[in-house]
Amino acid sequence: GQNIDQPTEMTATEGAIVQINCTYQTSGFNGLFWYQQHAGEAPTFLSYNVLDGLEEKGRFSSFLSRSKGYSYLLLKELQMKDSASYLCAVRSGNTPLVFGKGTRLSVIA
Amino acid sequence: EPEVTQTPSHQVTQMGQEVILRCVPISNHLYFYWYRQILGQKVEFLVSFYNNEISEKSEIFDDQFSVERPDGSNFTLKIRSTKLEDSAMYFCASLGGSTEAFFGQGTRLTVV
Repeated sequence: GQNIDQPTEMTATEGAIVQINCTYQTSGFNGLFWYQQHAGEAPTFLSYNVLDGLEEKGRFSSFLSRSKGYSYLLLKELQMKDSASYLCAVRSGNTPLVFGKGTRLSVIA
Repeated sequence: EPEVTQTPSHQVTQMGQEVILRCVPISNHLYFYWYRQILGQKVEFLVSFYNNEISEKSEIFDDQFSVERPDGSNFTLKIRSTKLEDSAMYFCASLGGSTEAFFGQGTRLTVV
């Protein structure tokens, strides 16, 4: 099976930078995904990593280390609208995505 | 922009009743999924569907659940005899040639 861990809650200040970590254990790793989910809404895709390194997309970046089973999502220039849950999800082989429990981020003024 | 559409957005049903949740995936996608999310908990995989058959299912997807693609566009999840613990958001997702799965807006199922 797969085991995915991420912090339950984080709080950060508007304009700041926050890093949300995710560790995973899986066999046949075939990609790590980050999704954003606002309360009562569907998850929306943020980023995908399958090779080691950093992927940057605007204010959001995601990093992967396959040897360490570790990823992080970096959010820069935080805005109030970034308050949401951030879901780390892993794919193994051709299996469907398996999600972590999510990190609820609160952005405060 | 193409999107996954789910109906209804909210369904209230009595315990023991059958419900059918409907999804229209993105038209050229080949892989379809149902996930559920109990309030305050993580998104859980239920079932995947490819080439008109179930390709994988989780322990949650027991005999009370079934999926169908009755025509070229709809993808349905049926719960035969709902239980209180089936109350959750149910998300449909589809996947085409890209790596990311696109999620519908979900159906909130409330069993009373």
